[in-house]
Amino acid sequence: ELKVEQNPLFLSMQEGKNYTIYCNYSTTSDRLYWYRQDPGKSLESLFVLLSNGAVKQEGRLMASLDTKARLSTLHITAAVHDLSATYFCAVDIDRVGGTSYGKLTFGQGTILTVHP
Amino acid sequence: EAQVTQNPRYLITVTGKKLTVTCSQNMNHEYMSWYRQDPGLGLRQIYYSMNVEVTDKGDVPEGYKVSRKEKRNFPLILESPSPNQTSLYFCASSFGGRNEKLFFGSGTQLSVL
Repeated sequence: ELKVEQNPLFLSMQEGKNYTIYCNYSTTSDRLYWYRQDPGKSLESLFVLLSNGAVKQEGRLMASLDTKARLSTLHITAAVHDLSATYFCAVDIDRVGGTSYGKLTFGQGTILTVHP
Repeated sequence: EAQVTQNPRYLITVTGKKLTVTCSQNMNHEYMSWYRQDPGLGLRQIYYSMNVEVTDKGDVPEGYKVSRKEKRNFPLILESPSPNQTSLYFCASSFGGRNEKLFFGSGTQLSVL
């Protein structure tokens, strides 16, 4: 059974600081996704990482994937209040008997709060 | 406007009373899926569908049914809801494929008394 674990689960940051959210998963996969959820809202796709060493950046967020370590990171640079949200990673694994996609397993989510 | 539409947004029901949560997308997406979100557990996949008439179980399918008779619709059916199905439900869709991001609906908050 695939397990996806994020840490920390709660993160309180000051504006202007840097920090990293970690996403570990237990089974071989080369498909990892990051999503953002604002309070009381739906989820929005941030990044799609599809190979070992993949790095994607948008604004103050940068995501990377190390498939050998089964680890993805979401790095926040010079945090601003607008980044306050819950961040989820999700892993897609192959079905038994062949390659496929679509069976997503999410991490627990990291609640990020950025303070002035 | 491209969107995934779920209805209803809020639903309070009683144990055992069959209900359906509808999900419709207007983007001609092949892939659709359902999730439930519970505090501390993240999102857990209930069912997913690669295409019309093709559905598969996610991690928590017990107590739920789905159907995919048309490409745009993917309803979630609770034949006999129980209190442990009280949750926030999301429908999502995409074109399918490895690098396709999911588009999520607004969510349905379900309370089963």
